[in-house]
Amino acid sequence: DAGVTQSPTHLIKTRGQQVTLRCSPKSGHDTVSWYQQALGQGPQFIFQYYEEEERQRGNFPDRFSGHQFPNYSSELNVNALLLGDSALYLCASSLVGSGQGAGAFFGQGTRLTVV
Amino acid sequence: AQSVTQLDSQVPVFEEAPVELRCNYSSSVSVYLFWYVQYPNQGLQLLLKYLSGSTLVKGINGFEAEFNKSQTSFHLRKPSVHISDTAEYFCAVTSRVGYSTLTFGKGTMLLVSP
Repeated sequence: DAGVTQSPTHLIKTRGQQVTLRCSPKSGHDTVSWYQQALGQGPQFIFQYYEEEERQRGNFPDRFSGHQFPNYSSELNVNALLLGDSALYLCASSLVGSGQGAGAFFGQGTRLTVV
Repeated sequence: AQSVTQLDSQVPVFEEAPVELRCNYSSSVSVYLFWYVQYPNQGLQLLLKYLSGSTLVKGINGFEAEFNKSQTSFHLRKPSVHISDTAEYFCAVTSRVGYSTLTFGKGTMLLVSP
């Protein structure tokens, strides 16, 4: 079982550019959540996808958007990058049928640096 | 809405000593509680979780945590730490109803020295 895989592992972008991060969930999982972890902070929830729909969103601007594909993989897109978007972006997968108490499995993250 | 407060940003301890990492939470609804560990340049790994029943829960790597409803706390403990336990530890909560999104604390860095 490959677990949750994210790509790329590191990325450097310039202010104003756009970026796409990718996530493949753990085998058997159908729900993908994205989190932003700024340096020295805990992860903050961006949004969650289930059945190819965004079903919950955290307090992030519309510059942050996502997509889930039929195979449950997901993308996170960030437009008009700001220096403050520099962070570790974590993808977490879960199975909706296992309930909230199951927790989530996290990938290794993508380190985004905006210069 | 929920919030999580981890009272110590950094906890230095000597190898083989006991350690406690403190976590308090606030929520208007019933929650599940989790502790995750993050090793350098890695993602998060689930250490343990409290769902219901016994307030003392045991996790991986010899860690345990105690849920205290009256104090809204979920402190993490280990009786004897190893150098390899050096990592960032995050307390998190999720609502028992609705969607399984996690609210994290800011983390506690456990620094184990010889």
